[in-house]
Amino acid sequence: AQTVTQSQPEMSVQEAETVTLSCTYDTSESDYYLFWYKQPPSRQMILVIRQEAYKQQNATENRFSVNFQKAAKSFSLKISDSQLGDAAMYFCAYRMWRGAQKLVFGQGTRLTINP
Amino acid sequence: DGGITQSPKYLFRKEGQNVTLSCEQNLNHDAMYWYRQDPGQGLRLIYYSQIVNDFQKGDIAEGYSVSREKKESFPLTVTSAQKNPTAFYLCASSIGGTGLSNQPQHFGDGTRLSIL
Repeated sequence: AQTVTQSQPEMSVQEAETVTLSCTYDTSESDYYLFWYKQPPSRQMILVIRQEAYKQQNATENRFSVNFQKAAKSFSLKISDSQLGDAAMYFCAYRMWRGAQKLVFGQGTRLTINP
Repeated sequence: DGGITQSPKYLFRKEGQNVTLSCEQNLNHDAMYWYRQDPGQGLRLIYYSQIVNDFQKGDIAEGYSVSREKKESFPLTVTSAQKNPTAFYLCASSIGGTGLSNQPQHFGDGTRLSIL
């Protein structure tokens, strides 16, 4: 079974600085998807960024980028120019390439932005 | 606007009572999911359905039941057999059942269930 691990329960960063959230996963599959979701205090789950495992190029969405290391099974999220609105729980998630599109989530990292 | 509607937002259950959480989507998605979130933890899959009239157990299905009679609807019943139901419940949907798709899951706003 696939597992996802986020080893940082909490992180904090100064506003306008850069922070990196870690995620590792375990799978025997060669093709799959990886996602980062954000959950603000409103509890809504918001997609931040996605990565297809077959793509070597790291995904980027504005201030958010990932460092995808397939051999190491690592998928970290970098947030540049941190803003107060970035404060939230961040979840890393894995999904199989084929078959049911259910997600396997990590435990989450709570990110605090210090003004 | 298309989206997922969960109701109620807050729900209270008495001992020995079954309660049903509603999830409706107008995104024309084939697949729907129920997740449970406990404080400070990630989401765990309860049940999922890839197509109407079909559903499968997730990782923590005991004490829960679902139905999928319509494409738009995937209600979750928390039965009296679920001894620790207090949690935040999230419903999600995605465009494909088993096909190849990089489209992500869309989530509802959740239902918070508590024991009286």
